[in-house]
Amino acid sequence: DAGVTQSPTHLIKTRGQQVTLRCSPKSGHDTVSWYQQALGQGPQFIFQYYEEEERQRGNFPDRFSGHQFPNYSSELNVNALLLGDSALYLCASSSGLAGGPSYEQYFGPGTRLTVT
Amino acid sequence: AQKITQTQPGMFVQEKEAVTLDCTYDTSDQSYGLFWYKQPSSGEMIFLIYQGSYDEQNATEGRYSLNFQKARKSANLVISASQLGDSAMYFCAMRAFSGGYNKLIFGAGTRLAVHP
Repeated sequence: DAGVTQSPTHLIKTRGQQVTLRCSPKSGHDTVSWYQQALGQGPQFIFQYYEEEERQRGNFPDRFSGHQFPNYSSELNVNALLLGDSALYLCASSSGLAGGPSYEQYFGPGTRLTVT
Repeated sequence: AQKITQTQPGMFVQEKEAVTLDCTYDTSDQSYGLFWYKQPSSGEMIFLIYQGSYDEQNATEGRYSLNFQKARKSANLVISASQLGDSAMYFCAMRAFSGGYNKLIFGAGTRLAVHP
């Protein structure tokens, strides 16, 4: 049973460019959440997708957008990259919006984005 | 506003000894969940333990236990019999409800180093 997978593992981009990160949820999960983790900090919630719609969003600008496909996989797009976008981007999957009592989110290994 | 505070940037422990990682939280919700995750240098967030706000017993998972003091709004992680492989970043997180949807709010983390 495959867990959460993310691609690519590492990425180097230049300021002003655009980037797309990909995530496949754990088998049986239909909800995908994205988090940004800057160096030395805890993860910050970006947004969450369920039934191919963005259901809630954290405090991130519109340069951050996403998509969820019918097979529940998801993409995170970042436009007009800034140096401050350099971070580890984590994808987490879960079952349903409300989830079970413990609402455990399963995290992928992350994509490390470096903006130069 | 909901917030997680981890006041220990770094902790050292001798192998086979116990260590406590501190976590305090702030929320006005009556129903909430508290989590601890381990993040090794590879980047993946590994779920360790969960405590629900209505759980009367402290949660335990193998060598991990959660010292839940609701009145003090603290949820400290206790690792017994530390192992070299326990060296990693540890994050406390809270499940936050927002209009019926869930997301996780993380603290800044504590870096644990286990010495032989």
